[in-house]
Amino acid sequence: DAMVIQNPRYQVTQFGKPVTLSCSQTLNHNVMYWYQQKSSQAPKLLFHYYDKDFNNEADTPDNFQSRRPNTSFCFLDIRSPGLGDAAMYLCATSRLGRGVFEQYFGPGTRLTVT
Amino acid sequence: QKEVEQDPGPLSVPEGAIVSLNCTYSNSAFQYFMWYRQYSRKGPELLMYTYSSGNKEDGRFTAQVDKSSKYISLFIRDSQPSDSATYLCAMSLLILNQGGKLIFGQGTELSVKP
Repeated sequence: DAMVIQNPRYQVTQFGKPVTLSCSQTLNHNVMYWYQQKSSQAPKLLFHYYDKDFNNEADTPDNFQSRRPNTSFCFLDIRSPGLGDAAMYLCATSRLGRGVFEQYFGPGTRLTVT
Repeated sequence: QKEVEQDPGPLSVPEGAIVSLNCTYSNSAFQYFMWYRQYSRKGPELLMYTYSSGNKEDGRFTAQVDKSSKYISLFIRDSQPSDSATYLCAMSLLILNQGGKLIFGQGTELSVKP
């Protein structure tokens, strides 16, 4: 089945220790997104790629970086995690154009910062 | 003021009840209106979407949009325990050649008791 896969599902890191979360998709979608979702809050868009074009949200901290080496893979790098970065990180994909509203989400990576 | 406001609940109803979930928004430029369902520890999945004012029905679910009042609703008829989840409203701006982005509401946690 075509899908969005996120690894790992649970990640524990220490304060200030860099961490990388990964996302892969078999849907061949142009657009990939990274969201941060804290408990009982709305998913908050961090950035998205249209193909290789990177679009950063204005309020995304510099601590968060992303890479998309090819259509299928996208990575979220947190350079120096703080306690406030503990959250669920969701990857999503969509087609370009009218399909953009139908985003396919992965199961998420729950990040704990100790 | 948040762009999208949603009552976080939690909402608890008996099986078979009619459920009404609501969101208001402030940006009149939003073009697409979606409802996503998120089960515990899973990513959101698209339930329904609408483009224009009016009603759209899909089985037990009806989505309603009132653009003049900037208000959207999701009605669930004959609610089932399997409907227990968090329901997120989302609005979309279509950005030509860049994909687009979703602005989510906070989500309403629904529990349907047998």
